[in-house]
Amino acid sequence: AQKITQTQPGMFVQEKEAVTLDCTYDTSDQSYGLFWYKQPSSGEMIFLIYQGSYDEQNATEGRYSLNFQKARKSTNLVISASQLGDSAMYFCAMSLSARQLTFGSGTQLTVLP
Amino acid sequence: GAGVSQSPRYKVAKRGQDVALRCDPISGHVSLFWYQQALGQGPEFLTYFQNEAQLDKSGLPSDRFFAERPEGSVSTLKIQRTQQEDSAVYLCASSPGGTTDTQYFGPGTRLTVL
Repeated sequence: AQKITQTQPGMFVQEKEAVTLDCTYDTSDQSYGLFWYKQPSSGEMIFLIYQGSYDEQNATEGRYSLNFQKARKSTNLVISASQLGDSAMYFCAMSLSARQLTFGSGTQLTVLP
Repeated sequence: GAGVSQSPRYKVAKRGQDVALRCDPISGHVSLFWYQQALGQGPEFLTYFQNEAQLDKSGLPSDRFFAERPEGSVSTLKIQRTQQEDSAVYLCASSPGGTTDTQYFGPGTRLTVL
């Protein structure tokens, strides 16, 4: 069975600084997808970025980028130039064969002015 | 275009009552998923549909939980004889269907069982 581990329950970052949120995963499958979602206090789950297990390049999407290290089974999210609106819970998730997502426990990010 | 919608947004039920939660996926999306999110935790998978076929219901916690998607579009999650431990946010997500599909989530239904 697959497992996602997020070891940082909470993180603080100064506005305009970059921050890295950690995520490790465990699966015996060779083909899988890795996702990051943002969940503000309003509760909606917002898709941020995706990385496929066979993708050779690290995914980037605006201010979001992934540091994907397949051998270490880690996919850390880097948010550059943090904004106050980035304060939210961030979830790392994995899917096998485009089926259900398995989520980590999340990291609560607080951006300080 | 319109995203995933869910109704009601909030539901309060007395223990023992039946509830029905509705999900309208993004138009044309083949796959539909239901998740349960307890307070302070990540969502947990309940069940998955591809069109009208329920391909996986391994996450449903008991036989009091039932989901359907009869015409391959709107889905309903029904919980019979609700218990206090059913209190959670129920999230619905849809995806176009394919090998690397991103799931798009609705706003969720917050269920409180008294």
